[in-house]
Amino acid sequence: DAKTTQPNSMESNEEEPVHLPCNHSTISGTDYIHWYRQLPSQGPEYVIHGLTSNVNNRMASLAIAEDRKSSTLILHRATLRDAAVYYCIPYSGAGSYQLTFGKGTKLSVIP
Amino acid sequence: NAGVMQNPRHLVRRRGQEARLRCSPMKGHSHVYWYRQLPEEGLKFMVYLQKENIIDESGMPKERFSAEFPKEGPSILRIQQVVRGDSAAYFCASSPDPVGTQYFGPGTRLTVL
Repeated sequence: DAKTTQPNSMESNEEEPVHLPCNHSTISGTDYIHWYRQLPSQGPEYVIHGLTSNVNNRMASLAIAEDRKSSTLILHRATLRDAAVYYCIPYSGAGSYQLTFGKGTKLSVIP
Repeated sequence: NAGVMQNPRHLVRRRGQEARLRCSPMKGHSHVYWYRQLPEEGLKFMVYLQKENIIDESGMPKERFSAEFPKEGPSILRIQQVVRGDSAAYFCASSPDPVGTQYFGPGTRLTVL
């Protein structure tokens, strides 16, 4: 499995943009970069995923470095509901079907 | 389209009893995954099942734990003779295919007294 490195914690003011970085320098060519988040006392929630190109959906944007060794999850306007632990997970499903959750980044949103 | 459903949401058992956790995948999903989150730890993969088949159980403890996903009905994670160390949140996820995005349920929080 590709190893990931994320900051332990980050803070953001409400309604400000948030950039959550992730390093995955050992990612394989077939791994998609998945992002999940886990709100307190809830199950992980899928946020977004991508392979090479930047991706947007209603929740967030994903910016992927050209060499694919890092990516950044962008929340355009943080709300209190975005306070959660965010995980970046390289995953292809090829040969292993398990998502490997690291420690993630705990995002605090300040009103 | 209902999401992944798990029940019960909370389960209390005494040491030595059995715990049965149920997971109903999203409609159209035939792939189910179970994960466990011990207190203050990250989620760990336990087992991956397709209908009637266990595909990967590399994360399952060797004893007391079993899982099934019958042709009809929900997937069941069964823990026999529970011990205090089994206290954790158990999450189920489902996907439409083996490489598809996994969508998680709200979890079952097991407390062993």
